[in-house]
Amino acid sequence: EAEVAQSPRYKITEKSQAVAFWCDPISGHATLYWYRQILGQGPELLVQFQDESVVDDSQLPKDRFSAERLKGVDSTLKIQPAELGDSAMYLCASTGLAGIEQFFGPGTRLTVL
Amino acid sequence: AQRVTQPEKLLSVFKGAPVELKCNYSYSGSPELFWYVQYSRQRLQLLLRHISRESIKGFTADLNKGETSFHLKKPFAQEEDSAMYYCALKGGGADGLTFGKGTHLIIQP
Repeated sequence: EAEVAQSPRYKITEKSQAVAFWCDPISGHATLYWYRQILGQGPELLVQFQDESVVDDSQLPKDRFSAERLKGVDSTLKIQPAELGDSAMYLCASTGLAGIEQFFGPGTRLTVL
Repeated sequence: AQRVTQPEKLLSVFKGAPVELKCNYSYSGSPELFWYVQYSRQRLQLLLRHISRESIKGFTADLNKGETSFHLKKPFAQEEDSAMYYCALKGGGADGLTFGKGTHLIIQP
């Protein structure tokens, strides 16, 4: 069964360092989302892609966060520089043409020391 | 601004008892409402959505626009229902979800 893949699963970094997360959506899914989930909270949308184009990045802290999906398939989310408050689970999700159900990846747990 | 409120962080009930997880939303238009579930060590997955009006794993949820609620119900809880439950809303042009903070449901034997 096709699943959304994410790597790494865990990342520990020091503040002011750069980190990057990778997501490979289900094959054929044109829409890709990045969410951030702080401990004890629900996921919060950071950015949404339709193919290679950004549809919504209104909640993305653009001074330090960037996201790309150059070929409209896999995607990378980068944080530079990382801050203590960035410690969270970063989730990737994708949807097919019907756009009904979002399929989530296992997430990348980031710890900033 | 759209918002989803789940007032209970933790809900503990005995096996066989009825379950109701509360969800209230704030949105000016006609939203789509969802319940997502995360079992231990598994990824977040869709449980049900209001448009389909179906019962999944014995759970149902009815959208009440007057009370702006979308409570999740099950008449007889089972131990395997223990999980984190998130209510989510999709509204507006883009279809990213707005999630509540989640309710941790524990079913005691």
